[in-house]
Amino acid sequence: KQEVTQIPAALSVPEGENLVLNCSFTDSAIYNLQWFRQDPGKGLTSLLLIQSSQREQTSGRLNASLDKSSGRSTLYIAASQPGDSATYLCAVDSGYALNFGKGTSLLVTP
Amino acid sequence: SQTIHQWPATLVQPVGSPLSLECTVEGTSNPNLYWYRQAAGRGLQLLFYSVGIGQISSEVPQNLSASRPQDRQFILSSKKLLLSDSGFYLCAWSGPGGLGPDTQYFGPGTRLTVL
Repeated sequence: KQEVTQIPAALSVPEGENLVLNCSFTDSAIYNLQWFRQDPGKGLTSLLLIQSSQREQTSGRLNASLDKSSGRSTLYIAASQPGDSATYLCAVDSGYALNFGKGTSLLVTP
Repeated sequence: SQTIHQWPATLVQPVGSPLSLECTVEGTSNPNLYWYRQAAGRGLQLLFYSVGIGQISSEVPQNLSASRPQDRQFILSSKKLLLSDSGFYLCAWSGPGGLGPDTQYFGPGTRLTVL
């Protein structure tokens, strides 16, 4: 069974800092990996999707990397802003469904 | 563009009462549809998925059921709620119209509290 772990569980940084969120998974036989953002009490917003054949994806200030052989992915956020405060979820697609980590709760302080 | 709706947004129900949560998708045809649950302190868990009308696959044995009466309508039901059914229920879709066939898009969610 695919297990997805996210570290750290919570992170607080001052505005402007660059930061890295980590995701690890136990079974490297994946189709893709997605990063989501969840605001309190809200649904999920897809940020980036990396196919198993890709190494990274970029969108604006976000960059996600994937090392399938080692079972790791990182989400890099450049020049963080208070509006980036949210929970970030990593999800691995091993077939028809997504296996989610518990998320990293990010707080960016002004 | 595609949009996904869920209702109600919040729900408080007594133990033993029935449940019906509805999800509809607009702007796409023949999507894959999913129901997830996020319990307090836990990650998202897939409950059901559907690749077409009347085609439902269950991932977790429970007292919940799902139905897909129309192409873009997905319903989550229970005959008798348990305390452990409390959580945040998310509906999602993937397929035609998305950035890619695998990208899942989530609705706003329903927060269910069973007392």
